[in-house]
Amino acid sequence: QVQLVQSGAEVKKAGASVKVSCKGSGYTFTGYFIQWVRQAPGQGLEWMGWIDPNSGRTKFAQKFQGRVTMTGDTSISTVYMEVTRLTSDDTAVYYCARDWYTGWSDVFDFWGQGTKVSVSS
Amino acid sequence: QSALTQPRSVSGSPGQSVTISCTGTTSDLGDSDYVSWYQQHPGKAPKLIIYDVTKRPSGVPDRFSGSKSGNTASLTISGLQADDEAEYFCSSSEGNWVWLFGGGTILTVL
Repeated sequence: QVQLVQSGAEVKKAGASVKVSCKGSGYTFTGYFIQWVRQAPGQGLEWMGWIDPNSGRTKFAQKFQGRVTMTGDTSISTVYMEVTRLTSDDTAVYYCARDWYTGWSDVFDFWGQGTKVSVSS
Repeated sequence: QSALTQPRSVSGSPGQSVTISCTGTTSDLGDSDYVSWYQQHPGKAPKLIIYDVTKRPSGVPDRFSGSKSGNTASLTISGLQADDEAEYFCSSSEGNWVWLFGGGTILTVL
């Protein structure tokens, strides 16, 4: 069965960086993009960007450009998402999700369990 | 990249139907036939329940249905059950490999 397993919760100081991992299993890891979405406490979902694990190609939402990096290691079926220069506004649960091309569009069909990142000043 | 607009909350009694709207612009929903919907129970990851406006992934009951007209997409849940109480998010591509989510709608089953 398809699974995405993320790394554990993180507590960081403002100004620091955090790196979250997402390990896929149960499918051909290089055959699907991985999307990253975050959810601040009591808020909605916010799309952050995606990575193609096969090529390393990435794309980010405008507000995260320059502050977010996504990388991958296909040998261990894992992608990483790093956010630098953290502020309290980055306190959120971060999700990775598999991008599935339906034949017409891309949707997020399997999700990781989420990684809670808390940023304190 | 503005979020798609959803009502903050809707409610219904068991057995009834509810509809959740999702409004965008001509640049996103109006230009796309590919709306998806996600269900999220508290403390859990979102779950895909509708894709390509009207299609349901395997295992999603046919009580869940989707539609779209112009810049507005809708999710209808019929025969409400207690377990349907959750938050629902719409999503669409803004084109150029960029995605948007709605602000979320909390469904309360009375």
